[in-house]
Amino acid sequence: NAGVTQTPKFQVLKTGQSMTLQCAQDMNHNSMYWYRQDPGMGLRLIYYSASEGTTDKGEVPNGYNVSRLNKREFSLRLESAAPSQTSVYFCASSEGLAGSGDTQYFGPGTRLTVL
Amino acid sequence: QKEVEQNSGPLSVPEGAIASLNCTYSDRGSQSFFWYRQYSGKSPELIMFIYSNGDKEDGRFTAQLNKASQYVSLLIRDSQPSDSATYLCAVNLPALNFGKGTSLLVTP
Repeated sequence: NAGVTQTPKFQVLKTGQSMTLQCAQDMNHNSMYWYRQDPGMGLRLIYYSASEGTTDKGEVPNGYNVSRLNKREFSLRLESAAPSQTSVYFCASSEGLAGSGDTQYFGPGTRLTVL
Repeated sequence: QKEVEQNSGPLSVPEGAIASLNCTYSDRGSQSFFWYRQYSGKSPELIMFIYSNGDKEDGRFTAQLNKASQYVSLLIRDSQPSDSATYLCAVNLPALNFGKGTSLLVTP
């Protein structure tokens, strides 16, 4: 039981390049989330998926797209990376929506640098 | 923007003392409140959640919720150096809205 896994752990991109961050959970959770964490800014929600087949914008969705590929996997895509997207990205999952009281479990994070 | 506010710290307490961490939120409709701990370079991990006014205790940790005043706090009794971390307050909105975190340093 690996919990929430993320790949890659580290990535360096040049401005304008694209990439996809992968996230998978093996806890049969319905809801999945993508956050970014910047120094002094706390965790900010980018997108979330309340259940398979649905996605919704969070606080900072601009410049990102997501795909809920199946119940296990939720990917985050940067189509044209910008230096402002340099951050640590965390994926999380919960059985129901976190606001319903279900615990969110976080992956180990992806450290992305855009030059 | 619905706000969750925390003092960034650092909050420094001696080993064995009580650490008190505070959080205020702006949305009166919030129902669920969470405290996460995050060690440097690691991902957040849940410590406690609370839904009802009053206190909720779990070992050395006590969460306190006052919906009328819109604040939630976390008390850590008998603080240990291993408690040194950033503590994140989160409120449901419907996905969690996190505060920026309070850095806690427990000195031997």
